[in-house]
Amino acid sequence: GENVEQHPSTLSVQEGDSAVIKCTYSDSASNYFPWYKQELGKRPQLIIDIRSNVGEKKDQRIAVTLNKTAKHFSLHITETQPEDSAVYFCAAGSQAGTALIFGKGTTLSVSS
Amino acid sequence: GAVVSQHPSWVICKSGTSVKIECRSLDFQATTMFWYRQFPKQSLMLMATSNEGSKATYEQGVEKDKFLINHASLTLSTLTVTSAHPEDSSFYICSADYSGTGAETQYFGPGTRLLVL
Repeated sequence: GENVEQHPSTLSVQEGDSAVIKCTYSDSASNYFPWYKQELGKRPQLIIDIRSNVGEKKDQRIAVTLNKTAKHFSLHITETQPEDSAVYFCAAGSQAGTALIFGKGTTLSVSS
Repeated sequence: GAVVSQHPSWVICKSGTSVKIECRSLDFQATTMFWYRQFPKQSLMLMATSNEGSKATYEQGVEKDKFLINHASLTLSTLTVTSAHPEDSSFYICSADYSGTGAETQYFGPGTRLLVL
C-alpha cells in the first residue's frame, strides 16, 4: 500500500522567513496530493492541493511543487507569520472513494 | 460549501459503555466517508472507510466488532465505540469525500474527543 514520508517533523523559523516541508510517496498510482493545516484541538483544514498533471501550484504565500518521477512533493510558505504556526500534514490519494494516506506531520513554529 | 459536522464534540464516559459519534455532510452528498483516530501529537490514522449502503472496510488492526460503522444515508455515517476502555480515549475525526466538482477532495469534521474513565 501507499506510504508517505514527511520531513522535517519540527521546523522553527523567524517571521518573514520561508518554510519548506517535503514529502515522498511510494505508490506510483497516487495522483492527488493535498496539504492540511491543523491547529491544536481543531480539524485539519485543506490549504492547497495538487494533481499529478500539474508540476506547481501557488496560492498567495503558499505553493506546492510535485515531482512525479522522483515521487516527492513539497509545501513552500513564504513570508511566514506567527499565525502560520500549526501542524502541517501532507497526504497522497489515488481516486475518489479511497482514503488519503497521511504523513506524520510537521510542527511549524513561527516566532516574531 | 463542503461542510462536515460531527457530534458530539466531547464525550466522557465510563469504561464498558458504548459511545456513538455522528458524522454529517451538511451541504453535499458523500458516498464515502472515512474515520480516523488521532492520538496527541501524532498523525491521522485511518480506521475504516464507510460506504453508503454497504459494509465498512476496516484497516488492519482495527476491530470491526469494537468500532461499529453504519452509513445509512448519503449524508450520515456513525461510529459506535462499543465497550469503551481507557485505551480508546482519543480524538476521532471523520472526513467526507466531496466529489461535487470531480475534485475528490476530503473535508474533515471538527472531531470528537473521547475520554474513557
